[in-house]
Amino acid sequence: AQSVSQHNHHVILSEAASLELGCNYSYGGTVNLFWYVQYPGQHLQLLLKYFSGDPLVKGIKGFEAEFIKSKFSFNLRKPSVQWSDTAEYFCAVTPISGGYNKLIFGAGTRLAVHP
Amino acid sequence: EPEVTQTPSHQVTQMGQEVILRCVPISNHLYFYWYRQILGQKVEFLVSFYNNEISEKSEIFDDQFSVERPDGSNFTLKIRSTKLEDSAMYFCATGRGDTDTQYFGPGTRLTVL
Repeated sequence: AQSVSQHNHHVILSEAASLELGCNYSYGGTVNLFWYVQYPGQHLQLLLKYFSGDPLVKGIKGFEAEFIKSKFSFNLRKPSVQWSDTAEYFCAVTPISGGYNKLIFGAGTRLAVHP
Repeated sequence: EPEVTQTPSHQVTQMGQEVILRCVPISNHLYFYWYRQILGQKVEFLVSFYNNEISEKSEIFDDQFSVERPDGSNFTLKIRSTKLEDSAMYFCATGRGDTDTQYFGPGTRLTVL
C-alpha cells in the first residue's frame, strides 16, 4: 500500500538554527509531492510542491525541498528558522494514476522554535 | 485571496444522529475532496468528487457516508448515523485540476458523544 513516512514527530530548535525534516514515500510510479504547514489555530496551507523539472524546489517563507527519486525522499529544509515557523509540517504525495488523485499524508512533524 | 470555507467549525452530536458538514469551494475549482484527522493520527483521505460523481473513495467511506453538491456551490458530507469513532477533524479540499494543488478549508471538529 502507498504510504508516507515522516521521521521526526517532534523537533525543537532555537531561532537561527537550520532545519531539515525527513519524508519518504512508498510508491513505485510517478508522484506529485507536497509539503503543507499548519500554524497554530489555522488550516493546512501549501508550503511548496514538486510536479516535475528541477528536483530542488523553493517555497514560501524561505523553505525548500529536494526530491531524490532514487531514495523516494522529499526532505524539507530551511537554513535559519524563526519563532514564527512554529507549526506542524505535513509531507504528502499524490500517486499519478489517471486522475482524481488523493493526497496521502505523513503523520506530521511538530516544530517548536524557541527565541 | 479566495479560500475554502467550512461550517460549522465545531459540531457536537449524540451517537446515532445524522450530521451534515458543509464546504464552500473556491469558485473556479471543479475537484472536491473530504479528509479527516482523528486526534493524534494522520490526515486520511475519505472521498473525491468531480462532475457530480464520486470519483474515488477510501475504505473509511462506507454506506454511512455520502457527499453531494446540492446547489452548485456548497459541497456537503453527510454521516447518517454517527459513531463514537467518527469523532475527528474533517477537512474539505478543492482543486482546479485532478492533479493540481488542493486547497484546504479550516476544518470542522466533530465530537460524537
